[in-house]
Amino acid sequence: EAGVTQFPSHSVIEKGQTVTLRCDPISGHDNLYWYRRVMGKEIKFLLHFVKESKQDESGMPNNRFLAERTGGTYSTLKVQPAELEDSGVYFCASSQDLTGTGEDYGYTFGSGTRLTVV
Amino acid sequence: ILNVEQSPQSLHVQEGDSTNFTCSFPSSNFYALHWYRWETAKSPEALFVMTLNGDEKKKGRISATLNTKEGYSYLYIKGSQPEDSATYLCAFYGYKLSFGAGTTVTVRA
Repeated sequence: EAGVTQFPSHSVIEKGQTVTLRCDPISGHDNLYWYRRVMGKEIKFLLHFVKESKQDESGMPNNRFLAERTGGTYSTLKVQPAELEDSGVYFCASSQDLTGTGEDYGYTFGSGTRLTVV
Repeated sequence: ILNVEQSPQSLHVQEGDSTNFTCSFPSSNFYALHWYRWETAKSPEALFVMTLNGDEKKKGRISATLNTKEGYSYLYIKGSQPEDSATYLCAFYGYKLSFGAGTTVTVRA
């Protein structure tokens, strides 16, 4: 079974440019999450999709961030225009159930996209 | 804002020694406590998902305990090996999954 796939693995962009991150969740997982880890700090929640709908986007830092999930399959996270403080590792995760206590045992994470804004 | 705190932030262990570290979380609205193992450039990998007060889970040399009444969980590594070097993340599920900053373990040969 394929895991959660994220693309690209690394991205270096200049301040003011646009970057789009992509996440392909595990097939059949309705729940898809975006998280971000800034250097040395905790992984912070950005938003949660249930199928194609945004269930909770309370963690999105500002309107420069736009997330979509086409047809309830893959998701994209666009940052436009990027600022220096957007640098960090962006993780995507998917799960069958919200609490992670089901058969899949926890959330399944991708390996992250390391974004560097210079 | 849910405070999930992990301590220490980092620790160094001699190969063969045992170690443990802590995750503290809110004691109200508890549904589950997750532990993940994360090696840089790889995906965080679920180690344990714990739901009941007094739960003890074990996976090889790694084990975890849970106290939901006082809001803490311990992760133990017995007989540390270099391959145990990683960042260990705990995450509390109240109404969403909230992470601590992690404990980075470095095992010295």
